[in-house]
Amino acid sequence: GENVEQHPSTLSVQEGDSAVIKCTYSDSASNYFPWYKQELGKRPQLIIDIRSNVGEKKDQRIAVTLNKTAKHFSLHITETQPEDSAVYFCAASICCSNGMKTSYDKVIFGPGTSLSVIP
Amino acid sequence: KAGVTQTPRYLIKTRGQQVTLSCSPISGHRSVSWYQQTPGQGLQFLFEYFSETQRNKGNFPGRFSGRQFSNSRSEMNVSTLELGDSALYLCASSLGYDTQYFGPGTRLTVL
Repeated sequence: GENVEQHPSTLSVQEGDSAVIKCTYSDSASNYFPWYKQELGKRPQLIIDIRSNVGEKKDQRIAVTLNKTAKHFSLHITETQPEDSAVYFCAASICCSNGMKTSYDKVIFGPGTSLSVIP
Repeated sequence: KAGVTQTPRYLIKTRGQQVTLSCSPISGHRSVSWYQQTPGQGLQFLFEYFSETQRNKGNFPGRFSGRQFSNSRSEMNVSTLELGDSALYLCASSLGYDTQYFGPGTRLTVL
């Protein structure tokens, strides 16, 4: 069945350093890859997403890259801050590509990465 | 718009009982997905409803069931509770084809 792997499971970085979290997926039909951040005691919240027609997307200190051939996608956080400390989940699903629903499959989440940013 | 809401927020039950959890999606969202979150297993997909129909289902036993009403509100039911059912149950709503917005969750403790 579909599977999403995520590494590392825990990550500790010094404030100001970069953090990279990597995910791989098994279903080659997947074309939508969101990343969620879950702070302690709070709900997961979308921080960035990427679709398969794009190789990279950036939003301030956060960037995501996608390699469809290798079925890899990664989250990059630069200039980390203590408030970046949280659990990060990657996910993969099959979604429409043009904003209209043409097909949909369940969202498969990775097991999560616990990021700690040390002041 | 108001966010996704879930009730109750906390619940304590004993083994063998059943429980019903409720999720109200963001207005206009027709898809509601349910997840079980435990420290060791991460986010496990239970099922997804779209326009009152179960569209996808995860690998959970038949004790876990759900439904969706015409106003898109969804309920999840767990019968014959087991200790291992203790978890945070999250629902997420979406328009039906991409970004999911999570509710605050219901913390279920089974004694």
